[in-house]
Amino acid sequence: GENVEQHPSTLSVQEGDSAVIKCTYSDSASNYFPWYKQELGKRPQLIIDIRSNVGEKKDQRIAVTLNKTAKHFSLHITETQPEDSAVYFCAASHNNDMRFGAGTRLTVKP
Amino acid sequence: AAGVIQSPRHLIKEKRETATLKCYPIPRHDTVYWYQQGPGQDPQFLISFYEKMQSDKGSIPDRFSAQQFSDYHSELNMSSLELGDSALYFCASNSGTSYNEQFFGPGTRLTVL
Repeated sequence: GENVEQHPSTLSVQEGDSAVIKCTYSDSASNYFPWYKQELGKRPQLIIDIRSNVGEKKDQRIAVTLNKTAKHFSLHITETQPEDSAVYFCAASHNNDMRFGAGTRLTVKP
Repeated sequence: AAGVIQSPRHLIKEKRETATLKCYPIPRHDTVYWYQQGPGQDPQFLISFYEKMQSDKGSIPDRFSAQQFSDYHSELNMSSLELGDSALYFCASNSGTSYNEQFFGPGTRLTVL
């Protein structure tokens, strides 16, 4: 089955700096790669996703890149703000069979 | 817009008891997914249903069972509860086609004492 690895497990940045979270996946058939933001005790919220026929997608301060050959995808957050502090999960999905990475706890210091 | 509904939101049980969690998907969504999330862990996929049939099975213990009903709501039945079953249980739904976001419910926090 699919195995998703996510790094780093914790990330601390200064407000205004950029944050990058990286994930790799094992199943070359995976074709959908969402990123979720989860605050303590709350549900995972989709912040951006990318499909296998696209290499990059951007939504305001958030961007995701996908390298299918390397089976690697990354989340980039620019101009970070304290409210970006949360746990971020990457996931890889094939035919709705979705597996999550272990999560990255992002802390943005004011 | 209507979201995924889960009930109850909180549940406290004793060891060896049973529990039933309910999930009501977004209207017109035909696929339901169950996830278990322990403290500080990522959501672990348990099981999914598409059009009332089990579509995929993950790390669901044999003590757990689930089904999807004719109105597409789903129930997760948990028996012989153990302390380690204490977790957040999320249900998610989508329309069952590829490339679709899974919409998560608010979760049920199960505490086993």
